[in-house]
Amino acid sequence: QKEVEQNSGPLSVPEGAIASLNCTYSDRGSQSFFWYRQYSGKSPELIMSIYSNGDKEDGRFTAQLNKASQYVSLLIRDSQPSDSATYLCAGGGLSGGGNKLTFGTGTQLKVEL
Amino acid sequence: DAMVIQNPRYQVTQFGKPVTLSCSQTLNHNVMYWYQQKSSQAPKLLFHYYDKDFNNEADTPDNFQSRRPNTSFCFLDIRSPGLGDAAMYLCATSWGRHKSLKSSYEQYFGPGTRLTVT
Repeated sequence: QKEVEQNSGPLSVPEGAIASLNCTYSDRGSQSFFWYRQYSGKSPELIMSIYSNGDKEDGRFTAQLNKASQYVSLLIRDSQPSDSATYLCAGGGLSGGGNKLTFGTGTQLKVEL
Repeated sequence: DAMVIQNPRYQVTQFGKPVTLSCSQTLNHNVMYWYQQKSSQAPKLLFHYYDKDFNNEADTPDNFQSRRPNTSFCFLDIRSPGLGDAAMYLCATSWGRHKSLKSSYEQYFGPGTRLTVT
């Protein structure tokens, strides 16, 4: 059973602080990893993808991947109230021509004024 | 803007009455996916199409079927909805295995259809 584990939270951070979200995965065959943001009642929105060990930065977001530890993280710098959402971690592997994603249940982030 | 569109956004159906959900895309992606997401749960992949090739997940109930008449459109049919099928249904698209660039595997979601079964 392929699993992606996340702490459900809520994770509360003050505005302007760094939010750190973590994820572990069980399938060593996973080749790609994604972070999605999901507002309540809305669909997931892709914010970061990472494929190789190390860090990947995009604006206020930094994704980190450590395949040896089977660990993925997302850092959000200068957190804003608009960042308050559920963050889904997903691991992907090629199958049937597509990239099958296994999602975690998400971490709820609350950015407080 | 290129996008993934789902219709309707909200669907109410009666127990046992067949229902069809629609997804279309202007991204020209060759892979289309259907996910089911229940409240506070992770999205769960039901099946996907790579071009015209249908790939079913082993644990997807037979009650769920799909059709992809062309590159742009994909449908989810629920033959006899039960109360347990009430959920958000998400359509997503991506490029597939013929693309050598890994970023091509990123999936983009439509807004979803919220299904209520009465």
